[in-house]
Amino acid sequence: AQSVTQLDSQVPVFEEAPVELRCNYSSSVSVYLFWYVQYPNQGLQLLLKYLSGSTLVKGINGFEAEFNKSQTSFHLRKPSVHISDTAEYFCAVSGTGGFKTIFGAGTRLFVKA
Amino acid sequence: DADVTQTPRNRITKTGKRIMLECSQTKGHDRMYWYRQDPGLGLRLIYYSFDVKDINKGEISDGYSVSRQAQAKFSLSLESAIPNQTALYFCATSDFSGPADTQYFGPGTRLTVL
Repeated sequence: AQSVTQLDSQVPVFEEAPVELRCNYSSSVSVYLFWYVQYPNQGLQLLLKYLSGSTLVKGINGFEAEFNKSQTSFHLRKPSVHISDTAEYFCAVSGTGGFKTIFGAGTRLFVKA
Repeated sequence: DADVTQTPRNRITKTGKRIMLECSQTKGHDRMYWYRQDPGLGLRLIYYSFDVKDINKGEISDGYSVSRQAQAKFSLSLESAIPNQTALYFCATSDFSGPADTQYFGPGTRLTVL
């Protein structure tokens, strides 16, 4: 079984500042890792995913995430955020042999002018 | 047009009423899912279906039922709604065409049970 812990429920940040949203996972098997974003009044959409290979994954809107197997982490980063990045971000994990995706509780990113 | 649509988008109902939430998709995906979202809890899986003849319970199926009427349609029913079923409900699809199961979400249905 897998589990996901998002370490921050809310992250306030000023526009153009860097941001890191933290995600740790637990699994007894190899995993795929995802970050989804939910803009206000919308459904979730895929930001990026790690399947294998390079541990640094680049996604849409300038976001990237780094897979760290030894620390079982998959933190999301952006070097300079915009007001439009205000949203809720969900880290998710699925086993490589399975299909069910387990979502974290979400991190609300507030970008202030 | 949106690939995954949900109706209604908002619904207020009373305790004990039967409610149906509908989901349709034009993505041609075989797999469909129903989740509920509660603040601080993220998304929890209610039911999932891999094809028209396959229905499976998720982690919180009690009080819910589903019907897969066609590949493109997957509905969620609350037989007798109760206040703690007040939540945001999402339908999602996936095709598992690659190594990982990327999911595509509808816009959500906000359900309030009074």
